[in-house]
Amino acid sequence: ETGVTQTPRHLVMGMTNKKSLKCEQHLGHNAMYWYKQSAKKPLELMFVYNFKEQTENNSVPSRFSPECPNSSHLFLHLHTLQPEDSALYLCASSQDLAAGRLSSTDTQYFGPGTRLTVL
Amino acid sequence: QKEVEQNSGPLSVPEGAIASLNCTYSDRGSQSFFWYRQYSGKSPELIMFIYSNGDKEDGRFTAQLNKASQYVSLLIRDSQPSDSATYLCAFIEQHNYGQNFVFGPGTRLSVLP
Repeated sequence: ETGVTQTPRHLVMGMTNKKSLKCEQHLGHNAMYWYKQSAKKPLELMFVYNFKEQTENNSVPSRFSPECPNSSHLFLHLHTLQPEDSALYLCASSQDLAAGRLSSTDTQYFGPGTRLTVL
Repeated sequence: QKEVEQNSGPLSVPEGAIASLNCTYSDRGSQSFFWYRQYSGKSPELIMFIYSNGDKEDGRFTAQLNKASQYVSLLIRDSQPSDSATYLCAFIEQHNYGQNFVFGPGTRLSVLP
């Protein structure tokens, strides 16, 4: 497989369920991201992992728990979600550069997303 | 709070016309800017990136950057119905620990046949 993959592509869960979203990147990148995209809203950054260390957490509720076991895999563990958490969850990866000029390949690549519905 | 602003649209243009999409940003330190296209229900895909003042052309697409005015635009020549999508502007926000991408809300473009 190439690029960024996400599973599952669709998920319906009840408010008391526990589920996990999985993301895998095959690009050799060292930074991975979780975004939430709700209808008619901008992309909301949830978590950033640079070199497997979590470096950003934009006040995301604790019912979302990220895990990054290595630079190629990223998980988002979900528990006791609310209906307003229904959205498209996008994973992305990039090559994080501490310095230097970007080239055309130094950008974020997105996975296809997981469409989550919380009943 | 660093921000990216875009007109949400919808912007409607007839087929064959030039579509002009605009974006302003608040971070004067931003160096790199990206335009993504997102079809309904799909994930964003990169169209162009630009980091130098002036114009950058790639096929029917031209990105324009003016750092003094904190303004970046995307022109689509000979617009096609297949160009109908939401266009997201983004820039890189650099931190000591690494980088982050800041996205605008997107402009919805509709190309009418």
